[in-house]
Amino acid sequence: AQSVTQLDSHVSVSEGTPVLLRCNYSSSYSPSLFWYVQHPNKGLQLLLKYTSAATLVKGINGFEAEFKKSETSFHLTKPSAHMSDAAEYFCVVSSYNFNKFYFGSGTKLNVKP
Amino acid sequence: DAMVIQNPRYQVTQFGKPVTLSCSQTLNHNVMYWYQQKSSQAPKLLFHYYDKDFNNEADTPDNFQSRRPNTSFCFLDIRSPGLGDAAMYLCATSRVRGRIGNQPQHFGDGTRLSIL
Repeated sequence: AQSVTQLDSHVSVSEGTPVLLRCNYSSSYSPSLFWYVQHPNKGLQLLLKYTSAATLVKGINGFEAEFKKSETSFHLTKPSAHMSDAAEYFCVVSSYNFNKFYFGSGTKLNVKP
Repeated sequence: DAMVIQNPRYQVTQFGKPVTLSCSQTLNHNVMYWYQQKSSQAPKLLFHYYDKDFNNEADTPDNFQSRRPNTSFCFLDIRSPGLGDAAMYLCATSRVRGRIGNQPQHFGDGTRLSIL
């Protein structure tokens, strides 16, 4: 069975400081993992994906994530937060046959000026 | 640009009055999904179409139905909306061919449904 746990429901950082959003997954096979961002009243936008290639994945807007199989983690990072990064972030794992996707509960990122 | 389009963006209906939400895509993806998302929650999968095959989630109420007349369009019908059905409804697509491709989902901007 597949599942995703996002360890923090809310994260608050100051503009210009690093961002760390934590995600742990459970999967009985080699998973594909994704991070999405959702701004208010908008759909989900793909930030990055891991699909069994390089373990360090670079995404849009300066975000990156590292797949660590030994820790079953896929944490999202950004060196320097921008006000426009304030949004909700979802970590997602795919099912074996990619028919379905399993969502974490989300992390709301607040960026203080 | 290829995309997923949902109409309308905002929909208001009366308690018990049927409503239909629509989704179209220009990505030519073979899988289409409908999610319900309530405030400060993760999207909850209602059902998905793998090509023409309909897959209902076990806990999706019978009140929710879907139609996919062709590859590009998918509809969500709520037969008798209740107050608890007020939510954002998200349509998503993906391209699935076994484990080849590993494509992510692409989402529309959603339809926010209000029930009076």
